[in-house]
Amino acid sequence: GAVVSQHPSRVICKSGTSVKIECRSLDFQATTMFWYRQFPKQSLMLMATSNEGSKATYEQGVEKDKFLINHASLTLSTLTVTSAHPEDSSFYICSARSGTSEWTAEQFFGPGTRLTVL
Amino acid sequence: AQSVTQPDIHITVSEGASLELRCNYSYGATPYLFWYVQSPGQGLQLLLKYFSGDTLVQGIKGFEAEFKRSQSSFNLRKPSVHWSDAAEYFCAVGRFKAAGNKLTFGGGTRVLVKP
Repeated sequence: GAVVSQHPSRVICKSGTSVKIECRSLDFQATTMFWYRQFPKQSLMLMATSNEGSKATYEQGVEKDKFLINHASLTLSTLTVTSAHPEDSSFYICSARSGTSEWTAEQFFGPGTRLTVL
Repeated sequence: AQSVTQPDIHITVSEGASLELRCNYSYGATPYLFWYVQSPGQGLQLLLKYFSGDTLVQGIKGFEAEFKRSQSSFNLRKPSVHWSDAAEYFCAVGRFKAAGNKLTFGGGTRVLVKP
């Protein structure tokens, strides 16, 4: 089946540093990748949608200069949290989708990355 | 705007008993509906999905869900729960094509299984 990986699975960083999270589709080409944020005991909130070779589309309230998304290839998207602060601590999950028809609209989720900013 | 409501934040069920998780949605068109399960510290695994056709959908791990348009519901059921079913369950509705293929998630229901 379709597998999506994320790296790293956990990261701890100091306030003010930047952190990059990778999301890879391992056995399919992802035309679209999504980045979600999940606070403890809460649901997933969509942060942005990225299509290969184009700029990401951010959801309302998400700072695009804070959360840089690059979708450089059909198998890799990266999320960089710039100048991280403790309030950025969260569980970040990516998903990937292949195809363009509604019948291939299923998203495959990565295992998530736990970010802790000290 | 679309929304998904999962009325139950927590459900505790005994092992071997039946389980039903409720999901209600608000959407202006025919919805695409999903149920996902998330184990602690993990990503999401798709249990089942409904796009069209038979309103009773079978999924993995013995789960099924029924789409009821008149009630705007897509409840998840399992006849006999196993201890390994303890997890967080999310219902989601999808918007496709022009809406950018986005998913909107409900708040989740945490299932605890008693021995």
